[in-house]
Amino acid sequence: DTEVTQTPKHLVMGMTNKKSLKCEQHLGHNAMYWYKQSAKKPLELMFVYSLEERVENNSVPSRFSPECPNSSLLNLHLHALQPEDSALYLCASSQEESSGANVLTFGAGSRLTVL
Amino acid sequence: GQNIDQPTEMTATEGAIVQINCTYQTSGFNGLFWYQQHAGEAPTFLSYNVLDGLEEKGRFSSFLSRSKGYSYLLLKELQMKDSASYLCAVMDSNYQLIWGAGTKLIIKP
Repeated sequence: DTEVTQTPKHLVMGMTNKKSLKCEQHLGHNAMYWYKQSAKKPLELMFVYSLEERVENNSVPSRFSPECPNSSLLNLHLHALQPEDSALYLCASSQEESSGANVLTFGAGSRLTVL
Repeated sequence: GQNIDQPTEMTATEGAIVQINCTYQTSGFNGLFWYQQHAGEAPTFLSYNVLDGLEEKGRFSSFLSRSKGYSYLLLKELQMKDSASYLCAVMDSNYQLIWGAGTKLIIKP
């Protein structure tokens, strides 16, 4: 099994659509993340779930809504997106360590295009 | 503000050595990471440095100087498959990862 699986790989949607991105990790990790990756920009952390509890990120617009059904699943619900939201959305998981050596395992991403 | 700087793009020749630099200004420091990302694929972990010095792992080495806010990734005996983007990230005092924009490395025959 691929360790962190994301679906769909590609998604094209209009500004009035509602869609979801899905992520599943098979590593038994206790934290999961959504990142946005735009060309030539640093990765932008959107949301973190640690032990299934959401860590708030107030800078993310409400048109993005995360959901963590259980410790191995993480969804990102999309509604009324804008063209500037077009990007690669990466899911990651990690086993949070007190030492700080928190290595992320990423999925291959979902390429989103908003028309 | 917090900032990570790395070159946008570098070109090197197969079989040669290349050094990718990363400088950082962050609120505290709890380690520096390097990730490799091939086009269309997931970023994968390469190295973690928290103490000053050089960490060697096969053809790849990573160096850290905390006093200078500086790291580099050294790739030896370059192969065509090393063509990828290399991402530098620093964990700050709140254990938040601050990312650079990545360095695209192009390997030529």
